[in-house]
Amino acid sequence: GAVVSQHPSWVICKSGTSVKIECRSLDFQATTMFWYRQFPKQSLMLMATSNEGSKATYEQGVEKDKFLINHASLTLSTLTVTSAHPEDSSFYICSAREEAVGSGYTFGSGTRLTVV
Amino acid sequence: GENVEQHPSTLSVQEGDSAVIKCTYSDSASNYFPWYKQELGKRPQLIIDIRSNVGEKKDQRIAVTLNKTAKHFSLHITETQPEDSAVYFCAARIQGAQKLVFGQGTRLTINP
Repeated sequence: GAVVSQHPSWVICKSGTSVKIECRSLDFQATTMFWYRQFPKQSLMLMATSNEGSKATYEQGVEKDKFLINHASLTLSTLTVTSAHPEDSSFYICSAREEAVGSGYTFGSGTRLTVV
Repeated sequence: GENVEQHPSTLSVQEGDSAVIKCTYSDSASNYFPWYKQELGKRPQLIIDIRSNVGEKKDQRIAVTLNKTAKHFSLHITETQPEDSAVYFCAARIQGAQKLVFGQGTRLTINP
């Protein structure tokens, strides 16, 4: 089945620095990937839809200049948290779907970001 | 836009009993309804899904039912086991759209 790889699995960074998270579809091409944020004991909140070769579509209330998304190839999307602050600490998780076969959505393993 | 409500937020059942989690959605154009299981610190795993042209789907101890008229769908787990303990999320996707909208989640605890 479809496999989505996400790295790093956890990262600790200092306030004001930037962190890049990678999401790769390992055995299929994904023209669209999704980035979610999940706070402890809460649901998955969609941040943005990443579109290969074009600009990402951000959900209402998500700052596009703070959460930079790049989807330069059919197998890789990256999320960069710029000028991170402690309130950005969360579990970030990506998702993709093997559209060619109409499969369900597969999630990456997630990235636990801690900003100190 | 689509809104998905999930109940209950927590559910505790005795091992061997059945568990039922319910979700309602707001947009009648929704046509795909997956259920995910998430263990602590792990990724959500798809356990079953149903499309709007089907009323019920079953996979061993897990089943999902869909009532399009009432705009609600439910997850049924029979003969529960301790390893079923996790957080379960329902989701819905509007026809023609790509993104999933998730419910708030249900923390299921199976008591030995």
